[in-house]
Amino acid sequence: AQKVTQAQTEISVVEKEDVTLDCVYETRDTTYYLFWYKQPPSGELVFLIRRNSFDEQNEISGRYSWNFQKSTSSFNFTITASQVVDSAVYFCALSEPLYTGNQFYFGTGTSLTVIP
Amino acid sequence: ETGVTQTPRHLVMGMTNKKSLKCEQHLGHNAMYWYKQSAKKPLELMFVYSLEERVENNSVPSRFSPECPNSSHLFLHLHTLQPEDSALYLCASSQDLASGGAWETQYFGPGTRLLVL
Repeated sequence: AQKVTQAQTEISVVEKEDVTLDCVYETRDTTYYLFWYKQPPSGELVFLIRRNSFDEQNEISGRYSWNFQKSTSSFNFTITASQVVDSAVYFCALSEPLYTGNQFYFGTGTSLTVIP
Repeated sequence: ETGVTQTPRHLVMGMTNKKSLKCEQHLGHNAMYWYKQSAKKPLELMFVYSLEERVENNSVPSRFSPECPNSSHLFLHLHTLQPEDSALYLCASSQDLASGGAWETQYFGPGTRLLVL
């Protein structure tokens, strides 16, 4: 079974619309970390956020916000007032350092296209 | 240069060729990683190095041979690859390895897009 599921393969929105990217994870660990990375067409994975399992406080950074819900094992990512530069593939990832050490589980990614 | 760099950015090779991918990190990190990214599949962790020692090898075929001469450089030597090895190969680094429940954020390079004919 996949540890990180990003059910949305592709999303298209019109510029200035809000968009939420879903991430559902599976873990047996009580201590784990969740990440979001952005991969623009250039290929480089850009780190966006890290959240540990003990911190369920939602976070906002500019137009980006993250909603971590342990009860539903979800770590969703919302872009407010989307822009063309947000077009990229977004990956959610999970690490379980106590259980699987350095293994880093990525979802299959959600390709976001923002249409001008 | 800053961050993590990878060369070449694109590589086309035949199945009998030998080539090497290079990764260099300018962040002063102690741990480095190779990942494979294939279309429609999650990133796969291939190798992990800490202070030039390999600490993980995730059942990667022997036609992929990593080398870490120092904590700033990581190579992936390729030999007699198969067409299914065509993918984006990403290098990453982190300050240290995960330990005691603490995780280190990984920073990625731009990748080498490999095509095996």
